[in-house]
Amino acid sequence: EPEVTQTPSHQVTQMGQEVILRCVPISNHLYFYWYRQILGQKVEFLVSFYNNEISEKSEIFDDQFSVERPDGSNFTLKIRSTKLEDSAMYFCASSAGQGQPQHFGDGTRLSIL
Amino acid sequence: SQKIEQNSEALNIQEGKTATLTCNYTNYSPAYLQWYRQDPGRGPVFLLLIRENEKEKRKERLKVTFDTTLKQSLFHITASQPADSATYLCAQPYGGSQGNLIFGKGTKLSVKP
Repeated sequence: EPEVTQTPSHQVTQMGQEVILRCVPISNHLYFYWYRQILGQKVEFLVSFYNNEISEKSEIFDDQFSVERPDGSNFTLKIRSTKLEDSAMYFCASSAGQGQPQHFGDGTRLSIL
Repeated sequence: SQKIEQNSEALNIQEGKTATLTCNYTNYSPAYLQWYRQDPGRGPVFLLLIRENEKEKRKERLKVTFDTTLKQSLFHITASQPADSATYLCAQPYGGSQGNLIFGKGTKLSVKP
């Protein structure tokens, strides 16, 4: 069964540095998402992406965040100047259509020191 | 603001019994609800989607109901097994979004042999 893959599985970065989290969504899916989950807390929506542009973003997704689909298969989340509170699991998801089940990757654990 | 709540943080049951998990929502009537399973250190895995015009949905040992009057969904696992032990998440679309999900905090189910 096709799956969403995310790399790296764990990223350790110094505060203030830039990180790029990578995702390969399921190939025939059209909608892409990033969520995060701080340890012990809820899964929180960050951003959705459709037709090569951001369709919606949450309050968490401020100017330090950006997303890109550089080559038709990868979907990336960039955090420009990381803060301690950015430490979390970041999940990528994709879906075939609006309101359809979302398929999640196993996440990247981001640790900011 | 839109809220989705799973009242029980944890549920412990004996193998073979039926597990019933509750999800309540407020301030918004979603067009559908989704249920996911999350294992430690893994991404959510889609289980079932139920639309507002559906009272009940089944898949193997899983059953979900949607009561728009009570603003509640119940998720049942019949003949539970230790392998069913995981955290189960309820999710609804955020407002008029294109499928961006708001998740509950989850109920951690433990099935004892």
